[in-house]
Amino acid sequence: GQSLEQPSEVTAVEGAIVQINCTYQTSGFYGLSWYQQHDGGAPTFLSYNGLDGLEETGRFSSFLSRSDSYGYLLLQELQMKDSASYFCAVRGPANSGYSTLTFGKGTMLLVSP
Amino acid sequence: EAEVAQSPRYKITEKSQAVAFWCDPISGHATLYWYRQILGQGPELLVQFQDESVVDDSQLPKDRFSAERLKGVDSTLKIQPAELGDSAMYLCASSLRAGNYGYTFGSGTRLTVV
Repeated sequence: GQSLEQPSEVTAVEGAIVQINCTYQTSGFYGLSWYQQHDGGAPTFLSYNGLDGLEETGRFSSFLSRSDSYGYLLLQELQMKDSASYFCAVRGPANSGYSTLTFGKGTMLLVSP
Repeated sequence: EAEVAQSPRYKITEKSQAVAFWCDPISGHATLYWYRQILGQGPELLVQFQDESVVDDSQLPKDRFSAERLKGVDSTLKIQPAELGDSAMYLCASSLRAGNYGYTFGSGTRLTVV
């Protein structure tokens, strides 16, 4: 099976940089994804890392180290609208042979003025 | 921008009643997922469809939950009878194919069982 660990809450101020860490255990690994979810809203896809290294998408970057079973999401130039829950998710083999996403419990990011 | 449609948005039902949720994925997306999200937790997979076939329902409580995607397009998730512990957000997601790393989620159905 798969399991993921991420901090439950992170706080930061507008304009700052924040890093949300994720460690995982999985019997098979096909990549690490990050999703953002505002309160009451749908999770939305942010980024994917299939190989080691850094992926950058605007103010957001995501990093993966497969040897350490570790990744992080880096948010720069924080804005109030970034206040949300952030989930890491691993893609691993499902019982059927199809791969599926298993999500962590989420990190609530609170951005203050 | 294409969206995954879900209805109803909110549902309040009494314990032991039947309840059903509907999902219409993005056109052309072969893979459809139903996830359950308890408040403060991450989404947990209930069932995965590839076209009209169930490919993973290992976490679906089959004594009370059922899911179908008859024509490989829209899908219905049913709970009968509902229990207090079923109160949660039920999220539907779709992807172009299995293994596609970017899922598109619908806005979900917030179920409250009283």
